[in-house]
Amino acid sequence: QSVLTQPPSASGTPGQRVTISCSGSSSNIGISPVNWYQQLPGTAPKLLIYSSNQRPSGVPDRFSGSRSGTSASLAISGLQSEDEADYYCAAWDDSLNGHVAFGGGTKLTVL
Amino acid sequence: QLQLQESGPGLVKPSETLSLTCTVSGGSISSSSYYWGWIRQPPGKGLEYIGSFYNSGSTYYNPSLKSRVTISGDTSKNQFSLKLSSMTAADTAVYYCARSGLGTWGAYFDYWGQGTLATVSS
Repeated sequence: QSVLTQPPSASGTPGQRVTISCSGSSSNIGISPVNWYQQLPGTAPKLLIYSSNQRPSGVPDRFSGSRSGTSASLAISGLQSEDEADYYCAAWDDSLNGHVAFGGGTKLTVL
Repeated sequence: QLQLQESGPGLVKPSETLSLTCTVSGGSISSSSYYWGWIRQPPGKGLEYIGSFYNSGSTYYNPSLKSRVTISGDTSKNQFSLKLSSMTAADTAVYYCARSGLGTWGAYFDYWGQGTLATVSS
């Protein structure tokens, strides 16, 4: 069981806006920023969003993140076929001497 | 451009210790600005944090793996390593090394290795 909870799947059609949720607790998302990773099939994960709503250089502004209380979400607008991938949220967890907690991942399908 | 490359045996026997090395180029593990970490992914499953190492020797470990994990660094070779003992089939996974920043706000992995598959089998 992952510390952070994500829906196992999400889907949308090209051009649509989709959101992926990530739920945590007071020891992680409640006190720490959330980071999001995109993993295309057969490749290493790539940092997509950091500090809850910041995009690394090169990440399209179609991707955005937000955090409120003990939950966070990733939004993808203008969905494209190349966005079909697994998405993971993660945050620092302050319990048990501290560690990084990952969500279980959400597989996004572009219909 | 920072690059990370994992290396190590692809096959480990049950109960033995997995030893993996991550070689860093284009940057230094002695940097005071970064942690160096390991993350794994069992086939068809999600990402799992293993632990992180800082040049001072400071480490953080996943509580569920802490009793079996050691992460350390060799600044002379610009490498850091993972040792995971008492391996079982459940430890079969792709193992990634990655770089993260400091503190709660820096705990994101911005550079990743390509990953190496470690299979536990007799």
